[in-house]
Amino acid sequence: AQRVTQPEKLLSVFKGAPVELKCNYSYSGSPELFWYVQYSRQRLQLLLRHISRESIKGFTADLNKGETSFHLKKPFAQEEDSAMYYCALKRMIYNQGGKLIFGQGTELSVKP
Amino acid sequence: DTGVSQNPRHKITKRGQNVTFRCDPISEHNRLYWYRQTLGQGPEFLTYFQNEAQLEKSRLLSDRFSAERPKGSFSTLEIQRTEQGDSAMYLCASSFSSLSGTGSSYNEQFFGPGTRLTVL
Repeated sequence: AQRVTQPEKLLSVFKGAPVELKCNYSYSGSPELFWYVQYSRQRLQLLLRHISRESIKGFTADLNKGETSFHLKKPFAQEEDSAMYYCALKRMIYNQGGKLIFGQGTELSVKP
Repeated sequence: DTGVSQNPRHKITKRGQNVTFRCDPISEHNRLYWYRQTLGQGPEFLTYFQNEAQLEKSRLLSDRFSAERPKGSFSTLEIQRTEQGDSAMYLCASSFSSLSGTGSSYNEQFFGPGTRLTVL
């Protein structure tokens, strides 16, 4: 079965410190991995996806198939990064509709 | 079009009552998804539609749950004989898929604000 694990429920750092939000997955096929973010009182929104290999708001994530990980990183955290972050997996299977399997989420708190 | 909308935003009901939620997707989106999110957890997939066809249902979706998407536009999610365990945030998302049925591709899912259900 497919599973996404985010081992940290809460990650607290000071402004300017590096941030790494961990995500591990289990899936025997080829996955697509994503990070979604939910700021306070806002709806869930896509932050980045592994296939685009882009940096969004200073965040990057690299898919490591050997370690089945997709950790989210930012070298210098900002207070506005405080939010809930969800790692999600989509199975790349013919005609499977694109449903997302989410991790439990990690709350990032960036202190001044 | 200001994005995916859901109504109502909050619903409080008594155990055993029926409730219905509505989702209006982004107008050109042909796929519509329902997820459920309980406290401290990530969203869990419930079901999805391609146009008006319901193509996949999670085992989480008991017989008390039914979803429809008439004419491939808005969707409704009905819960019959609600139980306290149904209390959760119900999220709707929509996307546009240009697939003709071959290969696999991802088109961003845009989420609505959710409907928070409380069953007393």
